[in-house]
Amino acid sequence: GAVVSQHPSRVICKSGTSVKIECRSLDFQATTMFWYRQFPKQSLMLMATSNEGSKATYEQGVEKDKFLINHASLTLSTLTVTSAHPEDSSFYICSASPTGLGSPLHFGNGTRLTVT
Amino acid sequence: GNSVTQMEGPVTLSEEAFLTINCTYTATGYPSLFWYVQYPGEGLQLLLKATKADDKGSNKGFEATYRKETTSFHLEKGSVQVSDSAVYFCALSDRNYGGSQGNLIFGKGTKLSVKP
Repeated sequence: GAVVSQHPSRVICKSGTSVKIECRSLDFQATTMFWYRQFPKQSLMLMATSNEGSKATYEQGVEKDKFLINHASLTLSTLTVTSAHPEDSSFYICSASPTGLGSPLHFGNGTRLTVT
Repeated sequence: GNSVTQMEGPVTLSEEAFLTINCTYTATGYPSLFWYVQYPGEGLQLLLKATKADDKGSNKGFEATYRKETTSFHLEKGSVQVSDSAVYFCALSDRNYGGSQGNLIFGKGTKLSVKP
């Protein structure tokens, strides 16, 4: 079945540094990928929609200059958390869907980011 | 705006007990409804879905019926197993990207623990 690979699964970084998270669709092409953020005991919140070959679409309240998204190919989207702060510590999850009517979203296993 | 509310956990049951996890939604139009499951250490997986009123989604013994009159999509299983221990997320989709399933709005998740 369709698989979405997310890397790294866990990362710890210092305040002020940048962290890149990769999301790959392993056996299908995805023109659209989605990035979610999950706070403890909260639901997953959509951050942005990543579009291959064009700019990402950010949800209201998400800083586009802080959360840089690059969807350079049909199988790879990256999320870079720039100048990370402790409040950016969270669980980030990507998802993608094969093109086709009714194709379900497939999720990566998520990345636990801890900013110290 | 659109939202999903599901019962808070954790829910602890004995093996073979009956399970109900309540989910209600608020949405304009006619969203699609989903239940996702996240097993320990794994990513989100689609459990079942319903795309229109009165549809019943079912999978692995789980069922949920799209009730427009009560704006609900409660998850049920007649006899749970230890292997069903996981976090369950109710979600709705109010967008469509090129025929594929679009972004999702999630509930906060309900952790289920099944004891032998």
